[in-house]
Amino acid sequence: NAGVTQTPKFQVLKTGQSMTLQCAQDMNHEYMSWYRQDPGMGLRLIHYSVGAGITDQGEVPNGYNVSRSTTEDFPLRLLSAAPSQTSVYFCASSYSIGGYGYTFGSGTRLTVV
Amino acid sequence: GENVGLHLPTLSVQEGDNSIINCAYSNSASDYFIWYKQESGKGPQFIIDIRSNMDKRQGQRVTVLLNKTVKHLSLQIAATQPGDSAVYFCAENSGATNKLIFGTGTLLAVQP
Repeated sequence: NAGVTQTPKFQVLKTGQSMTLQCAQDMNHEYMSWYRQDPGMGLRLIHYSVGAGITDQGEVPNGYNVSRSTTEDFPLRLLSAAPSQTSVYFCASSYSIGGYGYTFGSGTRLTVV
Repeated sequence: GENVGLHLPTLSVQEGDNSIINCAYSNSASDYFIWYKQESGKGPQFIIDIRSNMDKRQGQRVTVLLNKTVKHLSLQIAATQPGDSAVYFCAENSGATNKLIFGTGTLLAVQP
């Protein structure tokens, strides 16, 4: 098992550009989520999904879109990048919505200039 | 709003000593708590968890204590090693929403 795989590991964007952060898991987990991590802020939930075809907003959803067409994949889209979106992004998956058995990816470090 | 916070942003200990990392939570409805370890450049890694019907749980060199009366969670690391140097996060399942809410983290620095 590869676990949770995130790509790319690093990305630099110009303000206004769009991009998609990829997340894939091979553990057949129903629950997947995206977090952003900023210095001194801990991890904040952006969006989550409880299964294919179902997504919902977390604490800080503005500026981000997600979709869940398959159980394995949960991409995060930035439609028009802003400097405030400079952060480290983590994808996580779990067999339960309650946080049990969370597995995190290694993160994507995004810089918006 | 509901939040999970840590008392100490940085904890420095000597190799071989015991470490105690503290965490306060405010949502009395939370029923599940997790400690994560995050090394530089990596994602958070599960250490140990505890449900609200317990007040203590032990793992290998780690113990989590839960005091629901004062809404306090702690992580104890026995015989701290240089490899334990990392940022430690507590997280709580926020009960009604079933979402995991993270604290801001504590940096544990182990001095050789």
